[in-house]
Parts: sequence; C-alpha cells; structure tokens
Amino acid sequence: NAGVTQTPKFQVLKTGQSMTLQCAQDMNHNSMYWYRQDPGMGLRLIYYSASEGTTDKGEVPNGYNVSRLNKREFSLRLESAAPSQTSVYFCASSDTTGPINYGYTFGSGTRLTVV
Amino acid sequence: AQSVTQLGSHVSVSEGALVLLRCNYSSSVPPYLFWYVQYPNQGLQLLLKYTSAATLVKGINGFEAEFKKSETSFHLTKPSAHMSDAAEYFCAVSDLAASYGKLTFGQGTILTVHP
Repeated sequence: NAGVTQTPKFQVLKTGQSMTLQCAQDMNHNSMYWYRQDPGMGLRLIYYSASEGTTDKGEVPNGYNVSRLNKREFSLRLESAAPSQTSVYFCASSDTTGPINYGYTFGSGTRLTVV
Repeated sequence: AQSVTQLGSHVSVSEGALVLLRCNYSSSVPPYLFWYVQYPNQGLQLLLKYTSAATLVKGINGFEAEFKKSETSFHLTKPSAHMSDAAEYFCAVSDLAASYGKLTFGQGTILTVHP
C-alpha cells in the first residue's frame, strides 16, 4: 500500500543512548518532514527536507540530526537522548513541485520514551 | 510568520448535535488551510483542505469548513455528530511560496461525543 512507513513503532531509551528513527515513502514526493507531538502543543517541526540532498531546521531542532538518504528515505537521529525528548514522532511527506499545496501524508508515528 | 489558533482544547457534544471546531490563522500571504483528524494511537489523516478554489470545502465523513478571509477563520463543522467522530482535530496553515510546503499546526481540539 502506498504511504509513509515509520520504524520502530515503540522505543524505550535510557538517557544518553542514541537511536535513529527511520522513515520511507513510496509516493515519489520531493519533500519530507519530521514532527514531534506533545500533549497540548500540537505538532512541532523538527527538521524538513525540501528535496533530495537538502535539509533544514524547523522549530525545535536541538538534540536531533537528520539524513535524507535518497528521495524515499528521511531518517531522524537522537545522538544522546534526554527525557525531554520523550514524545511521539511523526514523519510526513508532500509533493511540493507544483503550484498547489495538497498537504501531507503522515506515517503512523513512533512513540519514544526516554528514562 | 504563519500561525494557527484553535479555540477550545476540548469540545463535547451529544450524538446528533452540531459539531463546530474553531480555527483562526495568521499568514502574510494567501494561505493554504487544512484540517486533520487523529484517532487514538494513530497518525494524522487529512479531512479537508482549502487551496483557494472555493471558500466552502467539503471533506470526508460529512465534515466541511468555510474559509472567511475577513475573519481569518477556517472553522470545521458537521451537522450531526456520530460516536465515531470522537478524536483529536488539528488545523494547519501553509504558504507554499515561502515555506516549501511546511505546515504550521494548531494545538489541537479533542472532540468528545456523548450518547
């Protein structure tokens, strides 16, 4: 089925550990995004990639790094996890090559707990 | 800079009653506007979108929203609530020209439907 696939779905880390969240889309979208969702705060943009080979910071980039491996894949890395990074992480993709913004297709999310 | 304000973090209605979820936006250019729905432990699903074609936009599951430029609003409505409408709803804004399709989300409104 076409869409955005995120792995893993759940993860528990100890403070200071590192991990990479994986995201892949099969819709040939040029733009991809990483958001975090926290109660009462909506979704906040961490990083985005407007096209293959480019990445830019969003609203809350501190503590994260990203890699746009190819057009399909966009990974998010936590180098040294902190309890403040406990959240639900969503990857999304969008076709932004034309004049109309049709919005995002979202993955199902990764629920991360840092203890 | 673009922003979104959703009035009311929680809305409660009876089954069969009108659903009204409020969204006001701020954007320096003509915006693209979206409503997404999130069911428990799932990703976000697009309900409807405004892309300047028509001010009254119809979406899935009987929802609709009206773009009112003079009020900078994009409120979501449904004439008759169903139990299955219970979820969290997010309003989002984008100005494609400057933002590579990035969406800015509101804080979300949790809709509860009582029998």
